[in-house]
Amino acid sequence: GAGVSQSPSNKVTEKGKDVELRCDPISGHTALYWYRQSLGQGLEFLIYFQGNSAPDKSGLPSDRFSAERTGGSVSTLTIQRTQQEDSAVYLCASSLGGGRENQPQHFGDGTRLSIL
Amino acid sequence: SQKIEQNSEALNIQEGKTATLTCNYTNYSPAYLQWYRQDPGRGPVFLLLIRENEKEKRKERLKVTFDTTLKQSLFHITASQPADSATYLCALRDDKIIFGKGTRLHILP
Repeated sequence: GAGVSQSPSNKVTEKGKDVELRCDPISGHTALYWYRQSLGQGLEFLIYFQGNSAPDKSGLPSDRFSAERTGGSVSTLTIQRTQQEDSAVYLCASSLGGGRENQPQHFGDGTRLSIL
Repeated sequence: SQKIEQNSEALNIQEGKTATLTCNYTNYSPAYLQWYRQDPGRGPVFLLLIRENEKEKRKERLKVTFDTTLKQSLFHITASQPADSATYLCALRDDKIIFGKGTRLHILP
């Protein structure tokens, strides 16, 4: 199992609840990215980690969204007080390098989040 | 404003023909451009990368061109097969990596 792993694969929750999405990147990949993909839309960048720090969190849509990464490995994206517009597929990707390096990104299959 | 555009409509190509997908961008000066394939319910999979100083890159039946004057990349699949049916995304890196919305390709048997 050398790929990027995301859990859960599907999450259905009620509006106003908090959700936590998990990403296990490929071992040794220092860069980790979170994206959001809505139906018929492109990938919307949310946040980028290099190691445990997040030099670019400019894509987080509101202060209800936060993310952390520990041990240079697993990352968690948390959405507080979920709203219906948060419904989307949340994708995680990792790569060997970050910043301006031209390393391809390796994606997980995403978490499909549905807010009722 | 910065934009990256791909054909929004689905592209239908007869099996065996060459499929050509377009990626146009404005107000960027990317160091490189990447192409990914995405199947329904799956994450994107990296296919090819082309640098700003490269005109063309090939990998098996795939060919990518990059024209920094026209601000355009073309993605070709030769001898197309039904298994090539998917959504194809282009992505470029300026200060961060930006993805297009993708073009759905259908190869008709």
